[in-house]
This record gives sequence, structure tokens and C-alpha cells, in this order.
Amino acid sequence: AQSVAQPEDQVNVAEGNPLTVKCTYSVSGNPYLFWYVQYPNRGLQFLLKYITGDNLVKGSYGFEAEFNKSQTSFHLKKPSALVSDSALYFCAVRDGQGNKLTFGTGTQLKVEL
Amino acid sequence: GAGVSQTPSNKVTEKGKYVELRCDPISGHTALYWYRQSLGQGPEFLIYFQGTGAADDSGLPNDRFFAVRPEGSVSTLKIQRTERGDSAVYLCASSTTPNTEAFFGQGTRLTVV
Repeated sequence: AQSVAQPEDQVNVAEGNPLTVKCTYSVSGNPYLFWYVQYPNRGLQFLLKYITGDNLVKGSYGFEAEFNKSQTSFHLKKPSALVSDSALYFCAVRDGQGNKLTFGTGTQLKVEL
Repeated sequence: GAGVSQTPSNKVTEKGKYVELRCDPISGHTALYWYRQSLGQGPEFLIYFQGTGAADDSGLPNDRFFAVRPEGSVSTLKIQRTERGDSAVYLCASSTTPNTEAFFGQGTRLTVV
């Protein structure tokens, strides 16, 4: 069975500093990896994905993520955090054959002035 | 419409009643998913449709839950004999193909009293 682990319930960072939100996964075969963001009382919004190719993926709002096959990780990063980035972030994985998207439990990002 | 539309946005029902939740996907999207999100948790997969057929219903918790997509567009999630434990936000998503990113609706918040 496929699974996703987000080891940090909350990440705090000062505005202007780099941020990292961690994600590790377990899946059979090649993974399809996704990051979504959820603002209060809003639906999930797609940020970026890794399907194949370059291990560094760039997405919306200046976010990027690095796929590391040996460490089965897909950490979300941003060079300079904004207060408006404060939200709940979900990592998700799908295997190459299946269609079920499995989500982690989410990481609350808080960016402070 | 421009995005995935879910109705109603909120539903309060009495224990034991029957409810229907509707999802209108992005036009042209053949893949449609239902997820359930409880407070403090990541979205939990319920069912996936490819066209009119349910390709994977392994996430439906029991036979009180059923979903249809008769014309390959709008989908309805049906819950019989609701229980207080069914209270959650029910999310619908659609994608062009099973392997592309899914776009989520705002969700229906179901409260069973």
C-alpha cells in the first residue's frame, strides 16, 4: 500500500527566510508526487508535481520541490517565505499504475514578520 | 464553469437520514474523485471514476456509501442511514487523465447531529 509521511505538524519561519516542508513516501514502482496547499475554508490548490525528468520541480508562487529517489523524499521549498504563504500544505503520491492519490496528514506553515 | 463545483457547501442532517452530495467537474475532465477530510487529517480517498464507471471504490467505508456518475460528468455521492461519524468535509476533484494533477472543489461540510 502506498503512503505519505509529513513528519512536522507545524513549521514556523520568519518572513524572508527560506522554508522547507518535509515529505517522504512509500509506493510500488515509480512515484507520481504532488504538493497541494489549503487556505482556511478553501479547497485544495495544486502547487506542483513530479512525474519524471528533472529532480527539481518548480511550481506556483515561487515554490519548488526536490525529488530524491534514494531517500524517497519530496520536500517542498521556497527561497524566501512570505506571510501570505501561511497555510496547510499536503504532500500526495500516486503509483504509476493506480489512480488513487494518497495524502499525508498535512503540515501547517506559519510565516511571521 | 471554471472550476470544480460542489453543492451544497454545507449540509446538516439528522442521524439516520439519507443525504446526497453533488459534484460538477471541470468540463472535459474524464477522471473524477471523491475524498473525505476529517478535522486535522489529510484527505482520505473514497472512490474514483473514469468516465461513467467506478474504476476504484476501495475507499468507500461501508455499504452505506455509494456514488454514481451516470453521464460521465456530474457525480453524486450518496450516504444512507447517516451516522455522527460521517461528519466531515467531502471533497470532489477532477483531472483530464488519471495521471495529471487533480483540481479540487471547495467541498461540502456534512454535519450529522
